Amino acid sequence: AQKVTQAQTEISVVEKEDVTLDCVYETRDTTYYLFWYKQPPSGELVFLIRRNSFDEQNEISGRYSWNFQKSTSSFNFTITASQVVDSAVYFCALSEVVDSSYKLIFGSGTRLLVRP
Amino acid sequence: EPEVTQTPSHQVTQMGQEVILRCVPISNHLYFYWYRQILGQKVEFLVSFYNNEISEKSEIFDDQFSVERPDGSNFTLKIRSTKLEDSAMYFCASRAGTQVGEQYFGPGTRLTVT
Repeated sequence: AQKVTQAQTEISVVEKEDVTLDCVYETRDTTYYLFWYKQPPSGELVFLIRRNSFDEQNEISGRYSWNFQKSTSSFNFTITASQVVDSAVYFCALSEVVDSSYKLIFGSGTRLLVRP
Repeated sequence: EPEVTQTPSHQVTQMGQEVILRCVPISNHLYFYWYRQILGQKVEFLVSFYNNEISEKSEIFDDQFSVERPDGSNFTLKIRSTKLEDSAMYFCASRAGTQVGEQYFGPGTRLTVT
């Protein structure tokens, strides 16, 4: 069964600290996609990244980086030199190719609070 | 930049009333979704819609729910007889094509059932 686990409910850091948000997934499919979305206090869901199961290269985008490891079924997200504007809830999500609707299965989210 | 829009932003209704939540997906997108998020909880899939029909629905999406694409632009979610537990944020999302691309979400409609 497909499942996404974000064990960290809430993380609090001081501005400029690095922080890693963990995501562990379960899937029956060999081809799947992983996503991260950001939900700021205003409530919308903002797409951050999509990664397919065949591409294990880590990705960096500015202060954001993602570490995908199939061997441990993890897709962790690191924010370097965190800023107050990074305060939000971050959701990891999974979509399976075998699933014709390609629906997103979300984790429970990690609330990140960056203090000045 | 094209975006998904949703109206209204907040809807308050009494238990037992019908509500219609409206969405305008991104214009060249083919797949449409509704998700809901009960306050403080995770985002849950409700239904997906492709080629003018439901492609998948979750256990939450019972007979009280329906979706429609009445014209070329709108995508609606109807709740026939609202219950207190339907209070949540409802997100519409759309996706471009047959590849598993990212879904773009609207800003959400907060539904409060009293």
